[in-house]
Amino acid sequence: EDQVTQSPEALRLQEGESSSLNCSYTVSGLRGLFWYRQDPGKGPEFLFTLYSAGEEKEKERLKATLTKKESFLHITAPKPEDSATYLCAVSIYNQGGKLIFGQGTELSVKP
Amino acid sequence: GAGVSQSPRYKVAKRGQDVALRCDPISGHVSLFWYQQALGQGPEFLTYFQNEAQLDKSGLPSDRFFAERPEGSVSTLKIQRTQQEDSAVYLCATGGPATGNTIYFGEGSWLTVV
Repeated sequence: EDQVTQSPEALRLQEGESSSLNCSYTVSGLRGLFWYRQDPGKGPEFLFTLYSAGEEKEKERLKATLTKKESFLHITAPKPEDSATYLCAVSIYNQGGKLIFGQGTELSVKP
Repeated sequence: GAGVSQSPRYKVAKRGQDVALRCDPISGHVSLFWYQQALGQGPEFLTYFQNEAQLDKSGLPSDRFFAERPEGSVSTLKIQRTQQEDSAVYLCATGGPATGNTIYFGEGSWLTVV
């Protein structure tokens, strides 16, 4: 069964304290892995798409990496405005582009 | 606006009432998805359209749920005889040839069934 698991469920950091969020996946044929950010009361906001093992993408303080079994979202020197829920999702071949999401990691960054 | 637009943003329905949720996609986006998100969970797939064709409705939880996109643009998700377990955020997401495999979400419609 295709599955996406994120850890930890919640993460509390001090401003400037770097860390990583994990997304493990078990799928039949990975077409793409996606990271989204979701603020309370809002829809998910697209961050990154990764397609193959070894690929990395960066945006400001965020860097996403991909292996054959998992993806990491590295947050360097976070600021309070980085507080949000981060969602990982996978797209699978022959499934029309629908995404299978993990349950998310709720990140809180304190000043 | 330039983003995916959903209405209403908030809906309170009495149990047994029918509701209709609307999604206006980004112009030119041919793919349209509906997701359901319970509190504290990730979104779960409901159904998928390519233009006006509904290609996958495997995620619809019961025959009370129905979605349409008659002209390949605006879509409506209808829930008949609402139950308390239908309370959730309903998210619409769209994508097009220029976006590759990436889809963009609207702000969601928050449904509370009382």
